[in-house]
Amino acid sequence: DTEVTQTPKHLVMGMTNKKSLKCEQHMGHRAMYWYKQKAKKPPELMFVYSYEKLSINESVPSRFSPECPNSSLLNLHLHALQPEDSALYLCASSQLTGVSGNTIYFGEGSWLTVV
Amino acid sequence: RKEVEQDPGPFNVPEGATVAFNCTYSNSASQSFFWYRQDCRKEPKLLMSVYSSGNEDGRFTAQLNRASQYISLLIRDSKLSDSATYLCVPSGGGYQKVTFGTGTKLQVIP
Repeated sequence: DTEVTQTPKHLVMGMTNKKSLKCEQHMGHRAMYWYKQKAKKPPELMFVYSYEKLSINESVPSRFSPECPNSSLLNLHLHALQPEDSALYLCASSQLTGVSGNTIYFGEGSWLTVV
Repeated sequence: RKEVEQDPGPFNVPEGATVAFNCTYSNSASQSFFWYRQDCRKEPKLLMSVYSSGNEDGRFTAQLNRASQYISLLIRDSKLSDSATYLCVPSGGGYQKVTFGTGTKLQVIP
């Protein structure tokens, strides 16, 4: 079972709504990630937080806003999304140190539908 | 050349067969390599990590060829439950951008 927990599992939102996806890990990992996955495609990196600081932003549109309140939590704030943003959003974490430091562990994902 | 290339398949194999997938990568600085399996509408789950020339875990063997920049995954005695998409992930280390391969779909048939 995954030790990365994501909520909600399913979310339907209108294009004018504001919603948030939440992610939590208690493995003491110091890097956390947001990925987006469309059908029949591999996961696509959106953001990386390392030691609670934003390290990588893969030119993601500003309607997606990440937040890392502490080392265990990662949020993705959504506003004014488009139907093409409908996808599976995966949160992940990695240890950052040690032999297996860059092994990435995924949560079960949040299925987002924008209507 | 793409960062990571995999044959998308599908590979349709009978139960009990041996099947191998290859993955080529372009970043020669990649230090660690991972194989993930992803079931339909589920998250990717770590199958194997490879830090040196290879790794073996039961029916699964991963081999790394740094000179040719490819990594392979061999599955022996295929089970129906092995049906999934297998994603190759080379990593440069730390939190650096990790690029997933497009995945190879395996279908094990009775």
